[in-house]
Amino acid sequence: AQRVTQPEKLLSVFKGAPVELKCNYSYSGSPELFWYVQYSRQRLQLLLRHISRESIKGFTADLNKGETSFHLKKPFAQEEDSAMYYCAFLSGSARQLTFGSGTQLTVLP
Amino acid sequence: NAGVTQTPKFQVLKTGQSMTLQCAQDMNHEYMSWYRQDPGMGLRLIHYSVGAGITDQGEVPNGYNVSRSTTEDFPLRLLSAAPSQTSVYFCASSPSGTRGEKLFFGSGTQLSVL
Repeated sequence: AQRVTQPEKLLSVFKGAPVELKCNYSYSGSPELFWYVQYSRQRLQLLLRHISRESIKGFTADLNKGETSFHLKKPFAQEEDSAMYYCAFLSGSARQLTFGSGTQLTVLP
Repeated sequence: NAGVTQTPKFQVLKTGQSMTLQCAQDMNHEYMSWYRQDPGMGLRLIHYSVGAGITDQGEVPNGYNVSRSTTEDFPLRLLSAAPSQTSVYFCASSPSGTRGEKLFFGSGTQLSVL
């Protein structure tokens, strides 16, 4: 079945340290992958999409077809990065967004 | 411009009761969807709609009904609530032509079924 897997439910790093949130996908064909983020007391929102190859709030994510991964990275974590992060992909004829199980990131002072 | 508005924010039901979770958006988005969020399981799609009068099932549709009589509203009905439906429910919409690429989410409804 087509899915995304986020192996870490919880991840803690210290402020200023690099952070990598893992996402692996199982998909036949060319996937369209996204990262969504939910900050405390805020709505879930789009962080970035792989086709844009953009950097948002210092985060980047590169699609690695060889490793079937789409890991989210930031070289220097900030306390305000603490949030729940979801990897997601588009699927189906109606192009529904399917989410992974999420990783709760905590950046410690 | 309120975006996606969900009501109520909190609800407690007894097993067997029915209720409707309301969702409205004022952005003229064609695509709307309902997700439930459960610990360790992420968000799972319940139902979605690609436009007024058109709805379809997602990954976990059992026990839920939807309708889309207008572009703005997409209510979710629980027919006979069960404890397994205790969850946080999110409504989302996206601009025409994008479907799930950029979802705008509501603030959620926390539902407890006793």
